[in-house]
Amino acid sequence: DIQMTQSPSSLSASVGDRVTITCRASQRISSYLNWYQQKPGKAPKLLIYAASSLQSGVPSRFSGSGSGTDFTLTISSLQPEDFATYYCQQSYSALWTFGQGTKVEIK
Amino acid sequence: EVQLVESGGGLVQPGGSLRLSCAASGFTFSSYWMHWVRQAPGKGLVWVSRINSDGSSTSYADSVKGRFTISRDNAKNTLYLQMNSLRAEDTAVYYCARSGYYSQYHMDVWGKGTTVTVSS
Repeated sequence: DIQMTQSPSSLSASVGDRVTITCRASQRISSYLNWYQQKPGKAPKLLIYAASSLQSGVPSRFSGSGSGTDFTLTISSLQPEDFATYYCQQSYSALWTFGQGTKVEIK
Repeated sequence: EVQLVESGGGLVQPGGSLRLSCAASGFTFSSYWMHWVRQAPGKGLVWVSRINSDGSSTSYADSVKGRFTISRDNAKNTLYLQMNSLRAEDTAVYYCARSGYYSQYHMDVWGKGTTVTVSS
């Protein structure tokens, strides 16, 4: 299976901060990388697909980049509603896998 | 409105069986690949299984292969997950999710989940 490793596992940030989360795949996955946001007690929400494509309705402060094994999710100016857990997920192999998650907390 | 509604969760003893359902509405169900994803209490997301649009192709995570079966009834707009030989580690919220239409490589619509508890 392809292992996905996110860093950091958690971070504290203030409203207005620029936040970057990284995701590394255990093998090359081209651009088959998606990012999801999950708030407590809620279902995940798709933010970014194919590494850098913004899902319809998602604010433009979210962006994704990378290909191969290294990927980044960036929130350009953190808003109060962005405090949540973020997951990367690969769809390169037949067996999809998620990263362990990055919890973004209020500083 | 595009919607997925899971049902069928509950308390089951180790070794027991349970069948989850996911009712789809607001879109042409038969055109989309579908998935099950689970989340143990306080833990991260784990992809469980996937089925293509006509049900002819399936994939499973190693942790459930041979015990779980994904299926669909396109006439009833419903996705299923038959879970057998359940273990304590299968305790989780189970979400059904839809793949994208032009690209099947992401999950763009999710249900709210149904809770499965495996305990004696």
